[in-house]
Amino acid sequence: AQSVTQLGSHVSVSEGALVLLRCNYSSSVPPYLFWYVQYPNQGLQLLLKYTTGATLVKGINGFEAEFKKSETSFHLTKPSAHMSDAAEYFCAVTAYSSASKIIFGSGTRLSIRP
Amino acid sequence: SAVISQKPSRDICQRGTSLTIQCQVDSQVTMMFWYRQQPGQSLTLIATANQGSEATYESGFVIDKFPISRPNLTFSTLTVSNMSPEDSSIYLCSVEIENGSSYEQYFGPGTRLTVT
Repeated sequence: AQSVTQLGSHVSVSEGALVLLRCNYSSSVPPYLFWYVQYPNQGLQLLLKYTTGATLVKGINGFEAEFKKSETSFHLTKPSAHMSDAAEYFCAVTAYSSASKIIFGSGTRLSIRP
Repeated sequence: SAVISQKPSRDICQRGTSLTIQCQVDSQVTMMFWYRQQPGQSLTLIATANQGSEATYESGFVIDKFPISRPNLTFSTLTVSNMSPEDSSIYLCSVEIENGSSYEQYFGPGTRLTVT
């Protein structure tokens, strides 16, 4: 069985500050891990993914995430927040052997203060 | 990647009625899915839409309430039947695309349903 826990339903940072959104997962098999972003009144957009190989993955819009197996974490970061980053972010996990069923975390709403 | 469109983008419906949501993809895909996102909640998988056979439903979802069609590899519909206010949600379809040795899921823009 797999699960995802996102710590913090709402995160607020100042423009230009570091963004850190936390995600911990549980998986009995090697996981695929994803971060999706949902802008207001829009669908989901894939930010980045980890499958195998390099544990630090870079995505769109300057975001990156690091897969830490020992900590079962896949935290999302961005060095400098921009107003346009305000959105809902979802961490998700699926089984390495089958990408058919994705389990989503509860989401973290990111607000950016001017 | 894949470009996915959904119709309608939003609707307001009366309780007891049914709404059919369409999902169109710009390329042939094997796997299509339907998700529900209740207000302020995360996404929950409703079912996998199988081409040429009955959909595979997740626990808590039944065919009578959410009938699904998948007539070909680029199109699917989800019907929300006998609606109640609790069905007010965003309904999203997604497709799975093979990308090298891994897979990615792409999501449609969603259909925002309000039931009064």
